[in-house]
Amino acid sequence: GAVVSQHPSRVICKSGTSVKIECRSLDFQATTMFWYRQFPKQSLMLMATSNEGSKATYEQGVEKDKFLINHASLTLSTLTVTSAHPEDSSFYICSARAAGGHRTDTQYFGPGTRLTVL
Amino acid sequence: SQKIEQNSEALNIQEGKTATLTCNYTNYSPAYLQWYRQDPGRGPVFLLLIRENEKEKRKERLKVTFDTTLKQSLFHITASQPADSATYLCARTIGGSQGNLIFGKGTKLSVKP
Repeated sequence: GAVVSQHPSRVICKSGTSVKIECRSLDFQATTMFWYRQFPKQSLMLMATSNEGSKATYEQGVEKDKFLINHASLTLSTLTVTSAHPEDSSFYICSARAAGGHRTDTQYFGPGTRLTVL
Repeated sequence: SQKIEQNSEALNIQEGKTATLTCNYTNYSPAYLQWYRQDPGRGPVFLLLIRENEKEKRKERLKVTFDTTLKQSLFHITASQPADSATYLCARTIGGSQGNLIFGKGTKLSVKP
C-alpha cells in the first residue's frame, strides 16, 4: 500500500524548454504533496509543499515562477520546470502524506525523475 | 536553524555484522526522527519513526534509538546482508508530527559477502 508514482522517470530536454513531471498517489488520497530536489551526494532539499486546490508554499530560494506546481486533485500534483537550464538538471522527487488509511505521520515517496537539461 | 547531520558518508561492513549509523541534530529536540532507505536512482522508502519520548524502536532486524541528551539517533541493522546495501537517510520533522522533513545527507552502507 501507499504507492506513489512519478512520470516520466527520466527526461532529457534542451535548454529553454519546459518540462512537466507528474506525481500520483495510486492507492490513497493525499492531503499534502511535497516536491524535493536532490543533487548528487546531497540531501533531499524541499522545494515546495502543496495542498489540493490551493497555492503551493515555496521554500526560500525556490522561484515559484520557474517551478510551477499544480495540485489539481487529492491524487495528482504536477511540477513544471519552465525555461529549463543546465543548472536545473537534478533528481526531482515527490512525496505525499496520506489523508487516512495509511500512516499520516510520514511521507511516501515517488521513485523520482531524473532531469537532464542540455 | 535546525540541522540534521550524518557525519559518516560511507560505512563498509562484513555480512553478518551489525551496522550502526549515526544521526545528530542541532538545537531543540524534534518531536520525531525518521529513517529512510534510498537505493540509487530511487526515491526514499520509509523504515522507522521514533518519537522524542521513546528510547528505542524495533522492526525485524532494524533498531533505532533516540538520545535527547546526546542529541543523537542511532540506526542499527543486525545480521546485515548484502541486500541491505543502500544509502540510509535520517530526517527530522519541524512543526509537529505532520510538519516538513529536513533530511541529512545520508550514509552509504556497503555490506560485503
